[in-house]
Amino acid sequence: QVRLQESGPGLVKPSETLSLTCTVSGDSISRYYWSWIRQPPGKGLEWVGYIYYTGSTNYNPSLGSRVALSLDTSKNQFSLQLRSVTAADTAVYYCAKLNPVPVPASSYYYHYLDVWGKGTTVAVSS
Amino acid sequence: DIVVTQSPDSLPVNPGEPASISCRSSQSLLHRNGQYYLDWYLQKPGQSPQVLIYMGSNRAPGVPDRFSGSGAGTDFTLKISRVEAEDVGVYYCMQTLQTRTFGQGTKVEIK
Repeated sequence: QVRLQESGPGLVKPSETLSLTCTVSGDSISRYYWSWIRQPPGKGLEWVGYIYYTGSTNYNPSLGSRVALSLDTSKNQFSLQLRSVTAADTAVYYCAKLNPVPVPASSYYYHYLDVWGKGTTVAVSS
Repeated sequence: DIVVTQSPDSLPVNPGEPASISCRSSQSLLHRNGQYYLDWYLQKPGQSPQVLIYMGSNRAPGVPDRFSGSGAGTDFTLKISRVEAEDVGVYYCMQTLQTRTFGQGTKVEIK
């Protein structure tokens, strides 16, 4: 059974870089797509981005060039870096696994978020 | 960017009664492979979200059959045939056709 655990500082100063790590247990990181999702206090979910074990990434355009995902296959971890943070980046950050399922009568695979971490709260404040 | 809008924002329901949540996207979610690129997630109080439905109408493993997803084009619906107390929480739809975008959420509560 795959389990995900987020870790990182709970407090980041404005204009600095938020760095979080997600540790994967129960399966190899080199098999799936991996994602970050965040949730500001009292608000809804916002997709941040995903990364494949090859290093291929896809990001939420609203975050622009501030966001970067990376992974470390030797540690079975993937990470999020968000630069130049402001109070608007205060949120619970979740990491999640994307499960591939074959699309009938095609060569495509569809990916949905099937395993989530418990989330980690990050506050941006001086 | 694809915008996703849910309705209603809040839905009080009686146990045992059906419930329905609507999700509308700003453009069609039909992929060229013939499938609709939309998921439904439930975030129970104090918990991480969990998947209910993927690719428009496919129940995820372990999801009770009282949950069903349907729709086409830009209009999608999540139905709960008989609401149980454990179904309370916030329901989100998410389009997956172009990057990913969540709806604003629908809070389901027991009357």
